[in-house]
Amino acid sequence: GEDVEQSLFLSVREGDSSVINCTYTDSSSTYLYWYKQEPGAGLQLLTYIFSNMDMKQDQRLTVLLNKKDKHLSLRIADTQTGDSAIYFCAESNTNAGKSTFGDGTTLTVKP
Amino acid sequence: NAGVTQTPKFQVLKTGQSMTLQCAQDMNHNSMYWYRQDPGMGLRLIYYSASEGTTDKGEVPNGYNVSRLNKREFSLRLESAAPSQTSVYFCASSEIFRQGGNSPLHFGNGTRLTVT
Repeated sequence: GEDVEQSLFLSVREGDSSVINCTYTDSSSTYLYWYKQEPGAGLQLLTYIFSNMDMKQDQRLTVLLNKKDKHLSLRIADTQTGDSAIYFCAESNTNAGKSTFGDGTTLTVKP
Repeated sequence: NAGVTQTPKFQVLKTGQSMTLQCAQDMNHNSMYWYRQDPGMGLRLIYYSASEGTTDKGEVPNGYNVSRLNKREFSLRLESAAPSQTSVYFCASSEIFRQGGNSPLHFGNGTRLTVT
């Protein structure tokens, strides 16, 4: 079945860039999403990219997609302490449109 | 707009007890979902409802039942709770359920359930 993998932890200094990586197995994935989860809350959509795109930029966020390697990354420029959270990669495919989530990457931003 | 509202926020059950988790959305979304979140296991889909009147099993449906009461509401029932069902449960909704991928999910804030 579909699988989405992420590294579990990332720690950066405030002001640095953060890069969170994700790999997925389903070649029929059509949408790839990044969600953010803050403590005690549900997931919130950060950004998404359609599978025929290579890159998408949205203010401090840059998403890169390498469809050949099934690799997705999220870059956060000028990372702030408020960016500390768990970030989930998710894919949605042609098989009934359900989303499969990675286990989440916990980003810690140190002042 | 409240978005997706889940009740209760917290619940403690004894093994064998039953309960229903409630979820309502005010965004006029067609599709609704129930996920559970466990440490180290990400989110796993329990059941989903592509549209009013339909429900389907997800990845981990055993021990659960659902009801799509109307377009707004989608409830999750545990008939006989087990300690393995201790988890955080999230309801979500999306605008369109279609072949080729669904729209981004909007999540509630979760129900934290402990079964002793």
